[in-house]
Amino acid sequence: SQQGEEDPQALSIQEGENATMNCSYKTSINNLQWYRQNSGRGLVHLILIRSNEREKHSGRLRVTLDTSKKSSSLLITASRAADTASYFCAHLSGGSYIPTFGRGTSLIVHP
Amino acid sequence: SAVISQKPSRDICQRGTSLTIQCQVDSQVTMMFWYRQQPGQSLTLIATANQGSEATYESGFVIDKFPISRPNLTFSTLTVSNMSPEDSSIYLCSGSRAEETQYFGPGTRLLVL
Repeated sequence: SQQGEEDPQALSIQEGENATMNCSYKTSINNLQWYRQNSGRGLVHLILIRSNEREKHSGRLRVTLDTSKKSSSLLITASRAADTASYFCAHLSGGSYIPTFGRGTSLIVHP
Repeated sequence: SAVISQKPSRDICQRGTSLTIQCQVDSQVTMMFWYRQQPGQSLTLIATANQGSEATYESGFVIDKFPISRPNLTFSTLTVSNMSPEDSSIYLCSGSRAEETQYFGPGTRLLVL
C-alpha cells in the first residue's frame, strides 16, 4: 500500500503556540484518521474525517481535508506540554479495510 | 469504542526463543491487525488476523516466523518465533469494525538479547 507522507517530521514549539501537521496521500480515500502516540505506547484515536467532509473539530483539535489536493492537516491550538507525542495520519481507500499510516510527526511542546 | 489490552506489556528475551503476545478486545470487532513499530518509525503491518482461519500476511512476513491465531472475534495471539535482536520492537494489535476507527492496544515492547 502507498504510505502517506506527513510533514514536518519533527516540530518543536512553546506552550501556548499552535501546532500544525500535514498529511498527504496518493489515492482516493474513504476516510482519514489522526492518531496520537505517546512514547512507547499504543496509538490513541483523535479524529476521523470522511471524504465528504472538509473540517472537523474536537476540543483544541481541528482537522481539515482537501480531497482535491489529497491532503489533510491537524491543528492543535493553545498547545500544552502534555501534547508532546507523535501524531500519525491513516487513510482507508477503495474497498480496503486496512489503513495506510503516514510516517508521523514528532511534536515537542516546551513548557 | 473498544478497549484493547495486550500482554505482556514488555519482555526481554534470549535469542532463539519464542514469545507469544496476547490481545483481548472488550467488544466484538470485525478486523484485527498486528503491527510492528521500530523506535521512531511508523507502523508496519504484519498481518490481518482472521477469525477461525489462517492470517493474511503482508509482504516480508511469514507464518513460520509470526504465527497468529484468532479463535474468536475478541481474542488474538501473535508469536514471534526463533527471535533475534532484529525482532526487538514494539508490537501492537488493533481492532476495528469495517471502515470505522481502529483501536489500538498499549503495545508490547520486546527486547531480544
